[in-house]
Amino acid sequence: EDQVTQSPEALRLQEGESSSLNCSYTVSGLRGLFWYRQDPGKGPEFLFTLYSAGEEKEKERLKATLTKKESFLHITAPKPEDSATYLCAVQDATNTGNQFYFGTGTSLTVIP
Amino acid sequence: GAGVSQSPSNKVTEKGKDVELRCDPISGHTALYWYRQRLGQGLEFLIYFQGNSAPDKSGLPSDRFSAERTGESVSTLTIQRTQQEDSAVYLCASSFGVMNTIYFGEGSWLTVV
Repeated sequence: EDQVTQSPEALRLQEGESSSLNCSYTVSGLRGLFWYRQDPGKGPEFLFTLYSAGEEKEKERLKATLTKKESFLHITAPKPEDSATYLCAVQDATNTGNQFYFGTGTSLTVIP
Repeated sequence: GAGVSQSPSNKVTEKGKDVELRCDPISGHTALYWYRQRLGQGLEFLIYFQGNSAPDKSGLPSDRFSAERTGESVSTLTIQRTQQEDSAVYLCASSFGVMNTIYFGEGSWLTVV
């Protein structure tokens, strides 16, 4: 059964304190791994798509990496506006249902 | 359109009433998804469309829930005889094809009183 587990559930950082969020997954065949940011009361906002182990993507203070079993979202020198819930999702290439399986997210709070 | 558009953005309804939620995907996107997100919880898959057909309805929680899509564009999610446990935000997403990233709308917040 396809599964996505994110850790930690919640993370509080001081402004400028770098850290990483983890997304571990179990799928029969990975079609893609996706990172989204969700602000309160909003829909998820797309950040990155990763397709194969070893791939990395960067955007401003965020960098996403992928291995065969997990992905990390590295946040370098975060600012208060980076506070949000970060969601990870996978798409299983062997699943004819075309579902995206989402983790429950990591709630990030960056304190000024 | 520029993004996925959902309406209404907020809906308060009485228990037992029917509601319709509308999703207008990004122009040209052939795949369309519905998710439910209860307060403080993760995204729960409901249904997806490829064109106007729904190959996977496995996430619909009961026969009170139905969805349709017409013209490979707008989709409507209908909840009949609403219950309090239906209170949630209903998120719609679309993608250019089955191998592409999905983009979300802002959601329709449903409150059943």
